[in-house]
Amino acid sequence: GQNIDQPTEMTATEGAIVQINCTYQTSGFNGLFWYQQHAGEAPTFLSYNVLDGLEEKGRFSSFLSRSDSYGYLLLQELQMKDSASYLCAVIDSNYQLIWGAGTKLIIKP
Amino acid sequence: GAVVSQHPSWVICKSGTSVKIECRSLDFQATTMFWYRQFPKQSLMLMATSNEGSKATYEQGVEKDKFLINHASLTLSTLTVTSAHPEDSSFYICSAKGVQGDYGYTFGSGTRLTVV
Repeated sequence: GQNIDQPTEMTATEGAIVQINCTYQTSGFNGLFWYQQHAGEAPTFLSYNVLDGLEEKGRFSSFLSRSDSYGYLLLQELQMKDSASYLCAVIDSNYQLIWGAGTKLIIKP
Repeated sequence: GAVVSQHPSWVICKSGTSVKIECRSLDFQATTMFWYRQFPKQSLMLMATSNEGSKATYEQGVEKDKFLINHASLTLSTLTVTSAHPEDSSFYICSAKGVQGDYGYTFGSGTRLTVV
């Protein structure tokens, strides 16, 4: 079966850095997404990686290693508004989006 | 950027009635629309995938006669929850994929359905 693994919950301090890991087992791979979802709201797009390496976008960066079936989302200079769930999703060989269960990030002052 | 407008944002209905949720792609043509359901503190669960002009493909365990999906045009898809019951109360979200073939999936703002 297809599976996306990411931690259920993480806690970090305001101003710090946090890395949310995602490993996947899918039938084929056509890209890895990260979405942010605040409680009661729809997910919003953060990043898309299809090639190996790090992509930096302001305070948020996303990394992919296809050989390791692994990616991570790096959040720097954490702000209280970053408290949300972060969803990892992979596009498989049939171009279906496979979702992880999400990582709830709690930011403490 | 691409925008998907979803309405209503929230709805309360009586048990046994039907509710229609609309998703419109405002500045692009959505060849494929995905409908998700999300229960509190759980991940998105894909209910069905619809392509414009054809019947929707439902995920296992999702009743196609209960959750009617219509994707009659490239800019509009609807989900109708028929004979709603309290267990159908959930957060319903649509997501559209555009014609350009890129990998962008744009989400609607979601609909909070409460069946009383």
